[in-house]
Amino acid sequence: DTGVSQDPRHKITKRGQNVTFRCDPISEHNRLYWYRQTLGQGPEFLTYFQNEAQLEKSRLLSDRFSAERPKGSFSTLEIQRTEQGDSAMYLCASSSDRSTYEQYFGPGTRLTVT
Amino acid sequence: RKEVEQDPGPFNVPEGATVAFNCTYSNSASQSFFWYRQDCRKEPKLLMSVYSSGNEDGRFTAQLNRASQYISLLIRDSKLSDSATYLCVVIVNNNAGNMLTFGGGTRLMVKP
Repeated sequence: DTGVSQDPRHKITKRGQNVTFRCDPISEHNRLYWYRQTLGQGPEFLTYFQNEAQLEKSRLLSDRFSAERPKGSFSTLEIQRTEQGDSAMYLCASSSDRSTYEQYFGPGTRLTVT
Repeated sequence: RKEVEQDPGPFNVPEGATVAFNCTYSNSASQSFFWYRQDCRKEPKLLMSVYSSGNEDGRFTAQLNRASQYISLLIRDSKLSDSATYLCVVIVNNNAGNMLTFGGGTRLMVKP
């Protein structure tokens, strides 16, 4: 499968724990996005990378959230001191410079904070 | 006020029906417009782009009214497989990474 992959697909954690998610974009795509989706809502933009540079961050991305894309390939999203309000689906998407408007989404990581 | 607003539905229609969804956007600087489809517990996928002149892809027709800041999607001859959530999406600034701004989605259920 050459699409966007995310790991893990599901994560249950206790409040206060740290969690880290991974996204592997389509190999030739240099743009990578993270979105968050809660039940009954559309996805909301969190952050954007072009290659290894993090170029945009939403105000939704509090200081407990950090994202990296160290070699311009896979990306990680870490949430520290998780809160119940962090429970959501975390979606990763990628696109190429040749077709910047079409973003291909991964299957998401569903986070449940108990 | 949300940047992109949609009627959440659900729209329950019989097979073969024609159904239309609208969405409104608040930022007049919005530059690009799309409809995405999201099946239950799946990721969103691009359905079609939306142009001012209107565009058609098989049974699907999308229209953009910039003056009124609304976007529509028309589905003709509905199929059971059209059951999904349809997300209205805009890009506000094409030079800033093309982040997608989603509406809350409209749920469509096509019944036999």
